[in-house]
Amino acid sequence: QVQLQESGPGLVKPSQTLSLTCTVSGGSINNGDHYWSWIRQHPVKGLEWIGYIYYSGSTSYNPSLKSRTTITIDTSKNQFSLKVDSMTAADTAVYYCARRHTNHNFFDPWGQGTLVTVSS
Amino acid sequence: DIVMTQSPDSLAVSLGERATINCKSSQSVLYSSNKKNYLAWYQQKPGQPPKLLIYWASIRESGVPDRFSGSGSGTDFTLTISSLQAEDVAVYHCQQYYSGPYTFGQGTKVEIK
Repeated sequence: QVQLQESGPGLVKPSQTLSLTCTVSGGSINNGDHYWSWIRQHPVKGLEWIGYIYYSGSTSYNPSLKSRTTITIDTSKNQFSLKVDSMTAADTAVYYCARRHTNHNFFDPWGQGTLVTVSS
Repeated sequence: DIVMTQSPDSLAVSLGERATINCKSSQSVLYSSNKKNYLAWYQQKPGQPPKLLIYWASIRESGVPDRFSGSGSGTDFTLTISSLQAEDVAVYHCQQYYSGPYTFGQGTKVEIK
């Protein structure tokens, strides 16, 4: 079955850019059946959908983060990536990658998640 | 944005007893053309990512035990665990996928009494 795994730095300085990658195994990211998503979980605020990307490169973002966020896809590596600019302490969260359902915007499965702390 | 509010924030239930979690959306997530409620429930066990339990408000994902059931329509929804088991200790989240941005409730923590 499909598995997802996030990778990237656990610590980012304020004002810097966060870069995370999600590697998909057990299935092709290129088959057009799914969209590939990023979701984060704040310690107190709960889960927040960041955005998703299709194998073609088409994207959709949460307006609250759109100005600072870029999601890209590398079908040759079966990976997709997240960049968030101008990080602040409010961006401290566990970041998950997840597969969006074929036709609708719920998510399964999810990666294990990676904790990103913003601190100098 | 559609705001999702869950209640209670936490509850403690004895093994074998019923657990009930409520989720309210700030606007209806019922799509009139297909009569479907765009509402999902997830289970998040300690140290794990969320796992999809229920979608379309009441359809159990494959492999989910039938003690889990979802109900409700429009703006008010309920997740029921009919007979709580030790392995059901988790945080439960509702999510609307009616319109973007797709939003989640704050989570309800279920513990054993």
